Amino acid sequence: GAGVSQSPRYKVTKRGQDVALRCDPISGHVSLYWYRQALGQGPEFLTYFNYEAQQDKSGLPNDRFSAERPEGSISTLTIQRTEQRDSAMYRCASSLVAGGPGINEQFFGPGTRLTVL
Amino acid sequence: AQRVTQPEKLLSVFKGAPVELKCNYSYSGSPELFWYVQYSRQRLQLLLRHISRESIKGFTADLNKGETSFHLKKPFAQEEDSAMYYCALLDTGRRALTFGSGTRLQVQP
Repeated sequence: GAGVSQSPRYKVTKRGQDVALRCDPISGHVSLYWYRQALGQGPEFLTYFNYEAQQDKSGLPNDRFSAERPEGSISTLTIQRTEQRDSAMYRCASSLVAGGPGINEQFFGPGTRLTVL
Repeated sequence: AQRVTQPEKLLSVFKGAPVELKCNYSYSGSPELFWYVQYSRQRLQLLLRHISRESIKGFTADLNKGETSFHLKKPFAQEEDSAMYYCALLDTGRRALTFGSGTRLQVQP
């Protein structure tokens, strides 16, 4: 079946604008994760959901960042009043189940490259 | 706090040479470790996980708890192995991955 999809693939915005990044996980996957990857770095955890419940948002850098997954499927990461330092690749991943060792393979989407001018 | 360190940003080898991509971690609990790979213009994908003790595309990785390492090895590199490799540690509490900064492997003909 289809993998994780993200849209848009590229987003260029002006400082101060709000942006919404979308993630469509693999059908039936319980857990959904958001990561941010700066140039030359590995992905860094932002937040994750089990079904529609946001389980952990400790990685969100500040209150301009928020995420939702209202029906337990598609998720939106919103950045308000964007700043240049928000420029990065934003990656979404999903996994089949929420817990247990050895069954936590996270499948990644292609990412959204955000550029804030 | 947990941490994953990949000391090499770039590793360049010739085809047929052995490869070792280094990964060290710090974690207070029992670690669950992964190697992810990103080929050019493709998405990040799982290469292997320590718990499976598997060999994928000729790559293996052994968890060494004494040295807190999970190095990725392949005896004979191929040109198609050229990619970005990330070592990752699962935080079993928050269910999120902590990634290293990645190592770019270049296999020259």
